[in-house]
Amino acid sequence: AAGVIQSPRHLIKEKRETATLKCYPIPRHDTVYWYQQGPGQDPQFLISFYEKMQSDKGSIPDRFSAQQFSDYHSELNMSSLELGDSALYFCASSLASGAGANVLTFGAGSRLTVL
Amino acid sequence: QQQVKQSPQSLIVQKGGISIINCAYENTAFDYFPWYQQFPGKGPALLIAIRPDVSEKKEGRFTISFNKSAKQFSLHIMDSQPGDSATYFCAASEGGSYIPTFGRGTSLIVHP
Repeated sequence: AAGVIQSPRHLIKEKRETATLKCYPIPRHDTVYWYQQGPGQDPQFLISFYEKMQSDKGSIPDRFSAQQFSDYHSELNMSSLELGDSALYFCASSLASGAGANVLTFGAGSRLTVL
Repeated sequence: QQQVKQSPQSLIVQKGGISIINCAYENTAFDYFPWYQQFPGKGPALLIAIRPDVSEKKEGRFTISFNKSAKQFSLHIMDSQPGDSATYFCAASEGGSYIPTFGRGTSLIVHP
C-alpha cells in the first residue's frame, strides 16, 4: 500500500539558508500534519492542513511557513535556518471523515542538519 | 509543560518478559489515546489506541489499560520479543482535532 512520501530524506544546510521539505500524502487523504522531532525528543506538532486550508497551528516558528497544494501534497518552507532547527521533520496524513478517519500515518521523515 | 507524561525513559526486558510503559495526562478534554512505535530512522507508526469509554483494549501481545479517574494509561507488551525493541510514544488528542500530543517516549530494549 502507498505510504506517506517525504523528500528529501536528508538535507544539509548552512545557517541563515533556506530549506524546503515536501510531503506527498496517502492517496485520498485530505489532511496533512507536520511534526518536528529533535534528537531524543518527542515529536512536536507544527501545523496541519485540511483541504488546502490551514486547520491547526502548533509551535511553528515565524521563520517557517507551509502550504497544501491542489494535489494535496504539502511543502514546509524554512528560512533563516538556525542550528536549533536541526531535527527530523515528519509529515503525516489522514482522512478527516469516514472509516479510519483521523488515524495519522507518518512518513519516514526528512532529516535536516544545519551547520 | 509536558501535557502527557511518560515513564520510564528507558526499559530493558528479557525475551519473553512483560514490558510496561506508563503515561499520565492532565487535560480532561483528551478523549483519544494512541500508542506509537518508532524504529530508528522511521516515522512513528500507530500501534494501538483506546478511548476513555473502555478500561482495556487488547490486540495480540499489546494491551492498553486505561484509568479515567486517575488520568493514567499504560501499555503492556506480553511475551516481549527482540523485534519489539523500539521507542514507544504514548499520545493523547482532543475530539475534533485528533492531533496527537506525544509523551517523551520510552526506549525499549528486549534482550534475546
